[in-house]
Amino acid sequence: AQSVTQLDSQVPVFEEAPVELRCNYSSSVSVYLFWYVQYPNQGLQLLLKYLSGSTLVKGINGFEAEFNKSQTSFHLRKPSVHISDTAEYFCAVTRSGGSYIPTFGRGTSLIVHP
Amino acid sequence: NAGVTQTPKFQVLKTGQSMTLQCAQDMNHEYMSWYRQDPGMGLRLIHYSVGAGITDQGEVPNGYNVSRSTTEDFPLRLLSAAPSQTSVYFCASSYSRGRNNEQFFGPGTRLTVL
Repeated sequence: AQSVTQLDSQVPVFEEAPVELRCNYSSSVSVYLFWYVQYPNQGLQLLLKYLSGSTLVKGINGFEAEFNKSQTSFHLRKPSVHISDTAEYFCAVTRSGGSYIPTFGRGTSLIVHP
Repeated sequence: NAGVTQTPKFQVLKTGQSMTLQCAQDMNHEYMSWYRQDPGMGLRLIHYSVGAGITDQGEVPNGYNVSRSTTEDFPLRLLSAAPSQTSVYFCASSYSRGRNNEQFFGPGTRLTVL
């Protein structure tokens, strides 16, 4: 079985500042990794995913994440945030080649202040 | 494509009442699943289905029933509602083969049990 830990439940930042949302996972097999975003009163939508290949993955809205196998991490970053980035962010993992039902972290609430 | 649709958007029940949350997708996805989202708990898997006629329990199945008679529909039944089932419910779907394992989420149903 795999598990996901999002180390921060809430991250407050000022507009135009950089941000990093942390995600660590544990699994005994190869995994696929995902970040989803949930804007207020909406469902989740995919931000980016790592399946294989380059460890630096670029997503929508200027976000990127880096897969680090040795540290079992998949941290999400953005160099300059906007007010509109205020949302809940979820890290998720699935086994590669296995069940496609993902395991989600508990979420990180990104709060961008003007 | 409508994607994943859920009805109703909001529902208030009294303890002991039963109801069905509807979920439908028009992407011909094999996998469908139900999650509940509670503050600080992230997304917890209730039930999932890997195809028509096949369902299985997730992390928190008690008090809920599902069936999958068609590829498109995956209703969630609350047998006898309890206040502990007050939550936001999300339905999701995905492919079961290849690398297209992104989860597509519905907009959610906000349920209050009094």
